[in-house]
Amino acid sequence: DQQVKQNSPSLSVQEGRISILNCDYTNSMFDYFLWYKKYPAEGPTFLISISSIKDKNEDGRFTVFLNKSAKHLSLHIVPSQPGDSAVYFCAASGPNFGNEKLTFGTGTRLTIIP
Amino acid sequence: SAVISQKPSRDICQRGTSLTIQCQVDSQVTMMFWYRQQPGQSLTLIATANQGSEATYESGFVIDKFPISRPNLTFSTLTVSNMSPEDSSIYLCSVSGQGLGEKLFFGSGTQLSVL
Repeated sequence: DQQVKQNSPSLSVQEGRISILNCDYTNSMFDYFLWYKKYPAEGPTFLISISSIKDKNEDGRFTVFLNKSAKHLSLHIVPSQPGDSAVYFCAASGPNFGNEKLTFGTGTRLTIIP
Repeated sequence: SAVISQKPSRDICQRGTSLTIQCQVDSQVTMMFWYRQQPGQSLTLIATANQGSEATYESGFVIDKFPISRPNLTFSTLTVSNMSPEDSSIYLCSVSGQGLGEKLFFGSGTQLSVL
């Protein structure tokens, strides 16, 4: 039972354009959402998060949007840069983050084309 | 943030042997977790490493196969026992807790290949 889904295994975007990565979830108890970026041979690194009380959170080139009614979130990267090429995971937690597990999606491999 | 050192970074092992992976954090942390990422798959939680007591395992993972130690607040080990090719994965140590914000920090991972 995949409670967090990233339906696009891969995405290619021209440098300078916007990258949009999508994530859907099924568990209505999820309350907190995070995006991680992973380069080969490295552990995932935290990018940005959003709580269910918000519908948008922005940090520099990265913006996460949350649509609770649709159980959908997206990560926007603008402008996209070659260093953004990596695998991106979305993850979800219940309200007691830190004391309960994160559920991860299967990841989307983003390739930025120079 | 937390700096996490994970060893070894990669290993190739024979079927039936065991491998112990070490995770060292540069500060005391409340929570330590072990994840696995099988090829092309998501990150799956194996267990929560509890300091001074037995780890809490997720469904599908058992102590006999994945014994975990956590002798203090900065160190943990995961052993992959009696390995088979199906255990070929990336194993990741992660931490969270007070002072780290609502984030999970990961080590660089151990790439395990079982022949």
